[in-house]
Amino acid sequence: EAQVTQNPRYLITVTGKKLTVTCSQNMNHEYMSWYRQDPGLGLRQIYYSMNVEVTDKGDVPEGYKVSRKEKRNFPLILESPSPNQTSLYFCASSLSPGQGGYNEQFFGPGTRLTVL
Amino acid sequence: AQSVTQPDIHITVSEGASLELRCNYSYGATPYLFWYVQSPGQGLQLLLKYFSGDTLVQGIKGFEAEFKRSQSSFNLRKPSVHWSDAAEYFCAVGPRSNDYKLSFGAGTTVTVRA
Repeated sequence: EAQVTQNPRYLITVTGKKLTVTCSQNMNHEYMSWYRQDPGLGLRQIYYSMNVEVTDKGDVPEGYKVSRKEKRNFPLILESPSPNQTSLYFCASSLSPGQGGYNEQFFGPGTRLTVL
Repeated sequence: AQSVTQPDIHITVSEGASLELRCNYSYGATPYLFWYVQSPGQGLQLLLKYFSGDTLVQGIKGFEAEFKRSQSSFNLRKPSVHWSDAAEYFCAVGPRSNDYKLSFGAGTTVTVRA
């Protein structure tokens, strides 16, 4: 089944404790992205990657890191989480323009993060 | 700067009634247009998309949307709502370029009453 998976689905942590949220897709998509969803704000892009070893900042990158060492995985890293990073996080993937894509993004199930 | 506006934060509709959700965008050129649905506790599922051609597009679950260039709108409609349509709906736009950034509206929550 074609899908985007995220782990963990739920996470409660404390301020300053480094954490990683994993994202994996099995559709051979070159493009991957992370969003955060907050009430009344919709989804805002954190980082995106057009291909392996190519990443770039979205609208709200502060406090986050990403890496793209292989095509299928795109982990989101919070080196020192703070309470304002409490949110619902979504990973998404898409065929890139080079793959004939039209920016149609497929989303994972989400990770609900609480930072105390 | 590009922006997406969904004017209605919350809509309540009776089961079997029609539904229309509004979406307006501000963009330099006609973007790609999408509607996503998020059921409680779920991820986002693509309902439909507009790339080019016929301005009335059909999607899954009986939804359709109409692109109106003159109004910079992409409104979502369903003729007869089912209780399972209760969810949050997001309009999204993205550029017709290698920049794959999607801009989302704030969302409209739909409540369906029996």
